[in-house]
Amino acid sequence: SQQGEEDPQALSIQEGENATMNCSYKTSINNLQWYRQNSGRGLVHLILIRSNEREKHSGRLRVTLDTSKKSSSLLITASRAADTASYFCATVGGSNTGKLIFGQGTTLQVKP
Amino acid sequence: EAQVTQNPRYLITVTGKKLTVTCSQNMNHEYMSWYRQDPGLGLRQIYYSMNVEVTDKGDVPEGYKVSRKEKRNFPLILESPSPNQTSLYFCASSWTGGSGTEAFFGQGTRLTVV
Repeated sequence: SQQGEEDPQALSIQEGENATMNCSYKTSINNLQWYRQNSGRGLVHLILIRSNEREKHSGRLRVTLDTSKKSSSLLITASRAADTASYFCATVGGSNTGKLIFGQGTTLQVKP
Repeated sequence: EAQVTQNPRYLITVTGKKLTVTCSQNMNHEYMSWYRQDPGLGLRQIYYSMNVEVTDKGDVPEGYKVSRKEKRNFPLILESPSPNQTSLYFCASSWTGGSGTEAFFGQGTRLTVV
């Protein structure tokens, strides 16, 4: 089952612009993770934000978490063509199953 | 280099012909999982393993088997593949099965069953 929705489903921007994608989830969480997937390839972990954190930075990535609204956002600043990929938020489903529940993802296209 | 290795990357097979997709990780992770990714359905967990000889069903286990005889390997077995198992498959591993740990994914196996 899918944890929630991601918005927008697709995003197209010019190189150098910022990209913001949003994720909503349904259940209470301990943390939320963001992954990137290049076309047809494996997912790569980007960043993890814990439920007691409101904002976290990693390089050009900024993640926010609002547990009262059950939502998170991923901001990529100064985007590059190499950022073109699908981005997924994920939460842990079930104790000790290793199961990640993913949103449907946002497909980002960065035009050079 | 820390990695999860799946083989093969691409596979076309016929209905009913048994196949195995291999998965190996070099990080000494306890937890390993298999997911399938389908358009409109996203990523769904098939099976997971908490350690050697300990496996359990995920959300969509029908038609699949797994084994965990060694910590590093977690093969996915399709005893009698059917066309509805055509999908993109990912193996993943992590230190624990709880929250707070990132998962490492293989590059994927694109399976077509005709």
